[in-house]
Amino acid sequence: GQNIDQPTEMTATEGAIVQINCTYQTSGFNGLFWYQQHAGEAPTFLSYNVLDGLEEKGRFSSFLSRSKGYSYLLLKELQMKDSASYLCAVRDRDSGTYKYIFGTGTRLKVLA
Amino acid sequence: ETGVTQTPRHLVMGMTNKKSLKCEQHLGHNAMYWYKQSAKKPLELMFVYSLEERVENNSVPSRFSPECPNSSHLFLHLHTLQPEDSALYLCASSNPDRGSGTEAFFGQGTRLTVV
Repeated sequence: GQNIDQPTEMTATEGAIVQINCTYQTSGFNGLFWYQQHAGEAPTFLSYNVLDGLEEKGRFSSFLSRSKGYSYLLLKELQMKDSASYLCAVRDRDSGTYKYIFGTGTRLKVLA
Repeated sequence: ETGVTQTPRHLVMGMTNKKSLKCEQHLGHNAMYWYKQSAKKPLELMFVYSLEERVENNSVPSRFSPECPNSSHLFLHLHTLQPEDSALYLCASSNPDRGSGTEAFFGQGTRLTVV
């Protein structure tokens, strides 16, 4: 089966750095994705990892360790607009079908 | 238009009604998905279509019936729904077999309320 775990809520201060962790279990791993979702809006893509290591994209970075089933999203220089839910998703390939399986999301509150 | 477009954005329906949700993508993707998002729950994958063929049906009740007439359009037909079916229904598309960076793109969703 598939299982994805991430913290439910986190709080951080404007200008700070925050790390959101995600652990996963899947049989047909085919990539790990992070999405941002503001309340009432669609999830928007942030980052993608398929090989071990760190991917950097401006203020956002994502790390993957396939052997540990572990990823994190790092947000630097936090801004108020970063208050949102952050969804960890694994793409699973099972019998030729690609599925995107999501965690419950981590609701991040950025305080002034 | 570009991206993934869903209509309607909001829908209120009675338990005896029949309605349909529509999704359209202009990205040239070959896979389309329906997800249900309820409060405090992860996005639940309902249906997967690959090259217009349904390849996944995650034990979804038969009161939800998907249709994919071509690679750009996806429908979710609803009938005799229950109040617990009230949720945000999200459509997504992707080209997952192209290798790296092939994320799923989401529409804005339809907020469904069953009364």
